[in-house]
Amino acid sequence: AQSVTQLGSHVSVSEGALVLLRCNYSSSVPPYLFWYVQYPNQGLQLLLKYTSAATLVKGINGFEAEFKKSETSFHLTKPSAHMSDAAEYFCAVSDLTGRRALTFGSGTRLQVQP
Amino acid sequence: GAGVSQSPSNKVTEKGKDVELRCDPISGHTALYWYRQSLGQGLEFLIYFQGNSAPDKSGLPSDRFSAERTGGSVSTLTIQRTQQEDSAVYLCASSLDWTGGADTQYFGPGTRLTVL
Repeated sequence: AQSVTQLGSHVSVSEGALVLLRCNYSSSVPPYLFWYVQYPNQGLQLLLKYTSAATLVKGINGFEAEFKKSETSFHLTKPSAHMSDAAEYFCAVSDLTGRRALTFGSGTRLQVQP
Repeated sequence: GAGVSQSPSNKVTEKGKDVELRCDPISGHTALYWYRQSLGQGLEFLIYFQGNSAPDKSGLPSDRFSAERTGGSVSTLTIQRTQQEDSAVYLCASSLDWTGGADTQYFGPGTRLTVL
């Protein structure tokens, strides 16, 4: 079964600092990978996704992620944090065949300090 | 355009009662998913509908949970004889399902269920 692991349930950065949220996946073949963001009392919003077209994926709000097969990683980064980035971030995996449902990591709550 | 909508936004019920949660997907989306988000279990898949195919119910935690999708659009998730451990946010998502697992799933705001 596929799975994703998000290291760090809470990450705190200063405004303007680099954001790095870690995600590692477990799959026998490169899967499809997603990052979603959830603001308080809202549903999930897609930030970006990897579907094998390019290893460096750019998303909304200045976020990007790089797929590294050798490290089985898909870490999310943003060069400069804004206060509005404070939210919970979820990494998710979908397999190439069969069930289309997403398997989510446990989430990382990002705090941005002024 | 309109996104995925869910109703009610909040539901408080007593243990043992049945509840129905509704999801209206984005128009034209053939795939519909239900997920559950709880403090102890994180985000879990419950059930998946695709067109007229038989639903994938592999994520339903017990036979107290059921779901249907009428006319390929609106879906209702029913929980019978609710238990306190059913308290969670129930999220619905829909997608075009054109490219298999690569499709973007669009999520609704969720229904927060509290079982007293």
